[in-house]
Amino acid sequence: GAVVSQHPSRVICKSGTSVKIECRSLDFQATTMFWYRQFPKQSLMLMATSNEGSKATYEQGVEKDKFLINHASLTLSTLTVTSAHPEDSSFYICSAGGGVGGAFFGQGTRLTVV
Amino acid sequence: AQRVTQPEKLLSVFKGAPVELKCNYSYSGSPELFWYVQYSRQRLQLLLRHISRESIKGFTADLNKGETSFHLKKPFAQEEDSAMYYCALKRSGNTGKLIFGQGTTLQVKP
Repeated sequence: GAVVSQHPSRVICKSGTSVKIECRSLDFQATTMFWYRQFPKQSLMLMATSNEGSKATYEQGVEKDKFLINHASLTLSTLTVTSAHPEDSSFYICSAGGGVGGAFFGQGTRLTVV
Repeated sequence: AQRVTQPEKLLSVFKGAPVELKCNYSYSGSPELFWYVQYSRQRLQLLLRHISRESIKGFTADLNKGETSFHLKKPFAQEEDSAMYYCALKRSGNTGKLIFGQGTTLQVKP
């Protein structure tokens, strides 16, 4: 099946710095990608829809200035956590595709802010 | 509002026992329902989708619109079925955007 790759898989950063997470569709083009956040032992919460060539659509309660999304090509979306704080520590997952075949998920990125 | 509810956080059964992971949804339109599975240290992957009415790894799920349910069933659980299972809803015509249930951890004991 289709492959979605995230990088990095794990990152530790200092409080106040910014972190960029990449999501790539390796063998298909994705005009739309999705970013989720998963807290320990909890469900995935949709953060935003990344749209190629246009602005991302954020879910209610998600700060767009905090979580910057760029989808500059048909195979790459990036999520930048700006001025990260410990409460931003989480597992971030992207997905792409999702027609009748269901979505394809990246392996996730574990962000730890110290 | 769209919502997916999985009432059980943990389901523990012995190998060979039947399994039913419950999923109820709330959506006024015609939803598309999926079951995703996450094995230990692996990414989330699609297990079943209601439109295909297929059986994967012995699992089946039937969409019951009257009860707004999409329970996942397997007659004889195997140890390798131990994983986290998520029920998810996609609004019709909406590519890829999924609403997930809270997830159920299935633990199959030997």
